[in-house]
Amino acid sequence: DIVMTQSPDSLAVSLGERATINCKSSQTVLYSSTNKNSLAWYQQRPGQPPKLLIYWASTRESGVPDRFSGSGSGTDFTLTISSLQAEDVAVYYCQQYYNTPNSFGQGTKLEIK
Amino acid sequence: QVQLVQSGAEVKKPGSSVKVSCKASGDTFNRYGINWVRQAPGQGLEWMGGIIPILGPVNYAPKFQGRLTITADESTSTAYMELRSLTSEDTAVYYCARDRIALDYWGQGTLVTVSS
Repeated sequence: DIVMTQSPDSLAVSLGERATINCKSSQTVLYSSTNKNSLAWYQQRPGQPPKLLIYWASTRESGVPDRFSGSGSGTDFTLTISSLQAEDVAVYYCQQYYNTPNSFGQGTKLEIK
Repeated sequence: QVQLVQSGAEVKKPGSSVKVSCKASGDTFNRYGINWVRQAPGQGLEWMGGIIPILGPVNYAPKFQGRLTITADESTSTAYMELRSLTSEDTAVYYCARDRIALDYWGQGTLVTVSS
């Protein structure tokens, strides 16, 4: 099974500043035949279901603000929020869908400093 | 408009079973899979398994093999998750989600409480 590890576990960033969350997989999630990474990012606000932000490691879901971006390949990935807004306070999860069982990182709690 | 509407909260005794439904609107059942993910109180997300209704194959996380059954009724566009031999460790919010590459639409969640 692929183990996903996020860092840090929690993060406090000032409004308007950049937030960076990392995700590492225990094995590659890159399909060499398509050159695509089977890695997604989700945002979960309190009391709500998760919301898909990014898939294929860097493709933004429709309607997601462009301050959210994803990068990385193979086993190391990053979610960046370029200018933190108050509504971005949430827990963020990465997920691999390269193979089953699909697996999530433990989550990163993002707060305002 | 894609919607996934789940059944209501349940309270179960240890050792019993629970069956949660997830009714999908739109063309979800004709084209995409349905996954189940759970979240224990104050904890992270845990992938349980998934089904592609028009194709039939079901994948389960090894942790749940033998006590989890995921099914789909195409006539009503409803997916089901049945978990047996419940313990207090199964107390969680259970979500269904549409699998289109990643999980792009989610149900509202169903709280299952296991308590004697």
